[in-house]
Formats: sequence, C-alpha cells, structure tokens
Amino acid sequence: KAGVTQTPRYLIKTRGQQVTLSCSPISGHRSVSWYQQTPGQGLQFLFEYFSETQRNKGNFPGRFSGRQFSNSRSEMNVSTLELGDSALYLCASSPEGRKNEQFFGPGTRLTVL
Amino acid sequence: AQSVTQLGSHVSVSEGALVLLRCNYSSSVPPYLFWYVQYPNQGLQLLLKYTTGATLVKGINGFEAEFKKSETSFHLTKPSAHMSDAAEYFCAVTLNTDKLIFGTGTRLQVFP
Repeated sequence: KAGVTQTPRYLIKTRGQQVTLSCSPISGHRSVSWYQQTPGQGLQFLFEYFSETQRNKGNFPGRFSGRQFSNSRSEMNVSTLELGDSALYLCASSPEGRKNEQFFGPGTRLTVL
Repeated sequence: AQSVTQLGSHVSVSEGALVLLRCNYSSSVPPYLFWYVQYPNQGLQLLLKYTTGATLVKGINGFEAEFKKSETSFHLTKPSAHMSDAAEYFCAVTLNTDKLIFGTGTRLQVFP
C-alpha cells in the first residue's frame, strides 16, 4: 500500500497570503489528523477529521481550517499568513478500528516571508 | 489533561553503547503511549506503542520500552546503538483519541 502523501512538499508564501495543503491518506483509512511542527513549539495537534466531519480540534486560531472529502483526502487552509506560521505541517491517517495507530506523511514545509 | 516530558533534548552515545531516552507522562487515566522517530526532512515513523497488556513493548529496529505506572515513565531503550539510529525521537500520549500530545523531542547522536 502507498503511504500517506502530502502535496506540495515545499511552499514559500508571503505574509497576508493564504495557502492550501493537501493530504491523501493510506487507502482505507478514514481518519486524518494534522499537526504543526516548529522549533519553538514542537509538534502541536491542529485538527482531526473522520468521515468528512471534524472530530477533534487543537488550540489554533480560526485562520487555520480544514476539510475532508468523501474519498478521505483532506486539505488544510491557512488564511492571512503570518511569519510564525512557517513550519512543517504533518498529516497522519489512521485505520478504522485501530485509531490510535497513526501513520504520518513526509510533511509540507511552509515558509512565510 | 495529559502531557509528556522528555528529559534531555540531546543524547550522545558511542556506536554499540546502550541507548536510553527518557519519557515521563502525566495523565489522570491510563494512557496510550507511543515512541516515534523522525529522520531529517521526513515525517514521523512509529517505533512502538503501549495500549494495554504487557508493559514491556518491543518495537522496530531493536528498540523497546517499558510502561511503569508507579513511575509514570515510558523510557525507550536499545542495547546497542547503530549509526543509523541518529535521529530525533518523540514520546507521545493520548487517551484513546487521534489527538496525540507530543514531548519536545530528543535528538540522538551516535559517534563511531
């Protein structure tokens, strides 16, 4: 089976712009979670989607949003980018019935100038 | 609320030496505990996990961890370090949800 894929792998944006990141889970996985990784704050949970519904949410401002499609692919959007949004954004998927075993993608490296 | 503390942001060992990476957790109910490894420019790979049952958990690449409730610890060990073990290691906790709470990570250096 193919692993979790994330596109794009690298992205450069300027302050004030918005960005959309994409995540394709492992085939058959219905749960998708997003994490932000920065040197200062470490790995922080953003949100989790299951069957197109947001099931869990971290402590991030409303500029961060996400959605999940019927094929379980997920997107996250960050509007009005700030310098502090520069980070590695990781997506993880979980198989139904073993929801605690998360498989991570390689991440999208976002740089905000 | 649950949390994880990893003692030591950097650990250096010689090749062939014992690897010990420390993790302590805080949780009001029995947690699920994980160790992940991250190589440069890559995502996270699950090394091992504790959910219920046997407290000594064996993972990939020769790593193992022991859940000690009395010490609220879940330390990661490997008897003999290999150069390829150099990476960053993260301990994580969850309460049966998909929201993982991660520690701050420990960077392992292995010297020849």
